[in-house]
Amino acid sequence: GQNIDQPTEMTATEGAIVQINCTYQTSGFNGLFWYQQHAGEAPTFLSYNVLDGLEEKGRFSSFLSRSKGYSYLLLKELQMKDSASYLCAVRDSNYQLIWGAGTKLIIKP
Amino acid sequence: IAGITQAPTSQILAAGRRMTLRCTQDMRHNAMYWYRQDLGLGLRLIHYSNTAGTTGKGEVPDGYSVSRANTDDFPLTLASAVPSQTSVYFCASSDLSGGADTQYFGPGTRLTVL
Repeated sequence: GQNIDQPTEMTATEGAIVQINCTYQTSGFNGLFWYQQHAGEAPTFLSYNVLDGLEEKGRFSSFLSRSKGYSYLLLKELQMKDSASYLCAVRDSNYQLIWGAGTKLIIKP
Repeated sequence: IAGITQAPTSQILAAGRRMTLRCTQDMRHNAMYWYRQDLGLGLRLIHYSNTAGTTGKGEVPDGYSVSRANTDDFPLTLASAVPSQTSVYFCASSDLSGGADTQYFGPGTRLTVL
């Protein structure tokens, strides 16, 4: 079966750095996405990785290792507004997105 | 530009009733999707459409139907609602012309079936 694993919940301090991991086992791989979802709102796109390596976008970076079936989202200089759930999704061989259950990130002052 | 709109925002429905959730996008995206999101689970694909006039089944299609008469609209119908269909429903769209084909989401419909 297809599986996306992420930690259920993480806590970090304002101003700090946090790394959210995602491991996947899917039938095929055609890219990995990270989305942010605030409580009661829709998911919004953060990043996309299809090749191995690091993609940096401001305070957020995303890393991919296809051989290890592994990705992480790195958030720097954490702000209170970063409190949200972070969703990892992999596009499989059928070109459908398989979603993890999300990691709830709690930021403390 | 509104992006993707969904209606209603929320609905309480008696079991056995028929319900249509509406989704409209103004980005001229060729692909559209319906997901449900339940606590502790990832988003699950119900139905999708890669282009107007075609639809396909996702991971959890039973009890749901869709149509895609034009590019902009992708309604989801529950023919006879059951309590297990209580969920938050998200519509999304993407441009399948190449690249990342990033999916963009509507604000969601919170449906409660009693």
